Amino acid sequence: EAQVTQNPRYLITVTGKKLTVTCSQNMNHEYMSWYRQDPGLGLRQIYYSMNVEVTDKGDVPEGYKVSRKEKRNFPLILESPSPNQTSLYFCASSPGDRGYTGELFFGEGSRLTVL
Amino acid sequence: SQQGEEDPQALSIQEGENATMNCSYKTSINNLQWYRQNSGRGLVHLILIRSNEREKHSGRLRVTLDTSKKSSSLLITASRAADTASYFCATDGGTSYGKLTFGQGTILTVHP
Repeated sequence: EAQVTQNPRYLITVTGKKLTVTCSQNMNHEYMSWYRQDPGLGLRQIYYSMNVEVTDKGDVPEGYKVSRKEKRNFPLILESPSPNQTSLYFCASSPGDRGYTGELFFGEGSRLTVL
Repeated sequence: SQQGEEDPQALSIQEGENATMNCSYKTSINNLQWYRQNSGRGLVHLILIRSNEREKHSGRLRVTLDTSKKSSSLLITASRAADTASYFCATDGGTSYGKLTFGQGTILTVHP
């Protein structure tokens, strides 16, 4: 089944404790991206990757890191989480081979709480 | 500020009625997409319309795009209770492929 898989789905952590949210897709997509969703603010793009070893900042990259060492994986790293990073996070992928971003396939989301 | 902004923020209708949601954006785009989100779940792609298209249909969905007004509308005809969800428009960055911006969404409630 074609899917985007995020882990963990739920996490409660404390300020400053490094964490990684993994994202994996099995559709051989070129493009992957991370979003956070907060009430009243919609979805905001954190980082995106057009291909392996190519990453770019979205609208809200501060406090986050990403890497794209393999085509299928795009982990989101919070080196020193703070309470303002409490949010619902979504990973998405797209074929990305048509010269435009195209249809995104989303994971089910990771709800992160930072105390 | 948000590239895409939906209007209204919330819409409540009866089953069988049509639902219209609007999206406005500020800069030039290559394409505009509409997505649906059931409460707390991942978004699901509904339809993509390119900047050189004016109208597109998919089942009960009709999307229009007016690039001169920088606006789009999503029409859901003969709505069903199962259409209850949040609907988002998303625009790309024009010259910057990959940078996709979502609006704040319209919450649609369809009463049986």
